[in-house]
Amino acid sequence: SQTIHQWPATLVQPVGSPLSLECTVEGTSNPNLYWYRQAAGRGLQLLFYSVGIGQISSEVPQNLSASRPQDRQFILSSKKLLLSDSGFYLCAWSVDSHINQPQHFGDGTRLSIL
Amino acid sequence: AQTVTQSQPEMSVQEAETVTLSCTYDTSENNYYLFWYKQPPSRQMILVIRQEAYKQQNATENRFSVNFQKAAKSFSLKISDSQLGDTAMYFCAFMKSNRLDATNKLIFGTGTLLAVQP
Repeated sequence: SQTIHQWPATLVQPVGSPLSLECTVEGTSNPNLYWYRQAAGRGLQLLFYSVGIGQISSEVPQNLSASRPQDRQFILSSKKLLLSDSGFYLCAWSVDSHINQPQHFGDGTRLSIL
Repeated sequence: AQTVTQSQPEMSVQEAETVTLSCTYDTSENNYYLFWYKQPPSRQMILVIRQEAYKQQNATENRFSVNFQKAAKSFSLKISDSQLGDTAMYFCAFMKSNRLDATNKLIFGTGTLLAVQP
């Protein structure tokens, strides 16, 4: 069966520090991968998605970047964190198929910027 | 652009009762997919149920069922025999057909916080 791992679960970082959140998927190959941010009391905003290694699409302009160095690895980064980067970050995957597939989510990372 | 609207920020239901969560969406597409996700206090997002727009029959998954009204662009979730473990934030989401967009991207509503009372 497929599993998705996301870490760390919580992170407290000072303003201006770098960021690296990692997400890996097991049990499938060539998945579509996604990074979302969920602000307190709000819905999910899609930040990035990837349909293959090295292929990254950004949905909103921001201080963050994403990379996919391996087929099942998706990394969310920042060189200098802003206070506005605080939130709950979720990674998700879906099967790459000609038939629509649902997304499956990791457990999330709560990021607090001080 | 597609939008998803959940007009009920919070709802409450007694244990064993039935509750319906509302969702409306806006799209010019004829073929698409709709989903309900559940996010309990543990924050993990769990797929509850999905509906394909070209299917007229409403989807059901045990105690969860939907009322899909394509013409009205409405997709409500009914939870029967509510249980304490159903307490969670519920999100409605829209996905374009892969024929138009093969990325399986989801557009989420803002969520409804459901509290099941003992």
